[in-house]
Amino acid sequence: GESVGLHLPTLSVQEGDNSIINCAYSNSASDYFIWYKQESGKGPQFIIDIRSNMDKRQGQRVTVLLNKTVKHLSLQIAATQPGDSAVYFCAEKGYASGGSYIPTFGRGTSLIVHP
Amino acid sequence: EAQVTQNPRYLITVTGKKLTVTCSQNMNHEYMSWYRQDPGLGLRQIYYSMNVEVTDKGDVPEGYKVSRKEKRNFPLILESPSPNQTSLYFCASSLLSEKLFFGSGTQLSVL
Repeated sequence: GESVGLHLPTLSVQEGDNSIINCAYSNSASDYFIWYKQESGKGPQFIIDIRSNMDKRQGQRVTVLLNKTVKHLSLQIAATQPGDSAVYFCAEKGYASGGSYIPTFGRGTSLIVHP
Repeated sequence: EAQVTQNPRYLITVTGKKLTVTCSQNMNHEYMSWYRQDPGLGLRQIYYSMNVEVTDKGDVPEGYKVSRKEKRNFPLILESPSPNQTSLYFCASSLLSEKLFFGSGTQLSVL
């Protein structure tokens, strides 16, 4: 089936820097994308989402960019803090064989923020 | 408080001994699903349910069963666990299979 992937497994940044986490997707029919954050010992938590009719969406300190031409998604975190250290997953809302919507996850990028 | 509750948090068992991991959500979500998370493989979907009495296989359903008799509960059943089912399991729910709410996870070890 279609898959969602990540370019880098680990990203190390200094506190206060901006972080950019990238994600490539292969299903051109996907119309909804989500970023999740997973802290150690916890379940993934929703951060931000974007629909395919948008190129950019901003939240609090986070921005998601969608480039449909090259099927690329990125998560930008401004002024990265130690509390941002976690694994970040991108996910797309894909389609099961019966037509049902199911989310498909990338493998994740580990963000390490150094004080 | 809106949440997805999984139990138990940790479970150690032996090969072949049937077990059930419970999952309950209090958000009246129609969509529920189970994932396993293994190092280097990310989250892989085991089973999902679009509504009561409607379940379907995900990417890795072998060795697992589920049931959805009520909207709030979606237990994961391992009839005869094997060591390759040692993993971290997550239950999740959502309104339209979009933004997922995850439980805290169940770390299962099968000896």
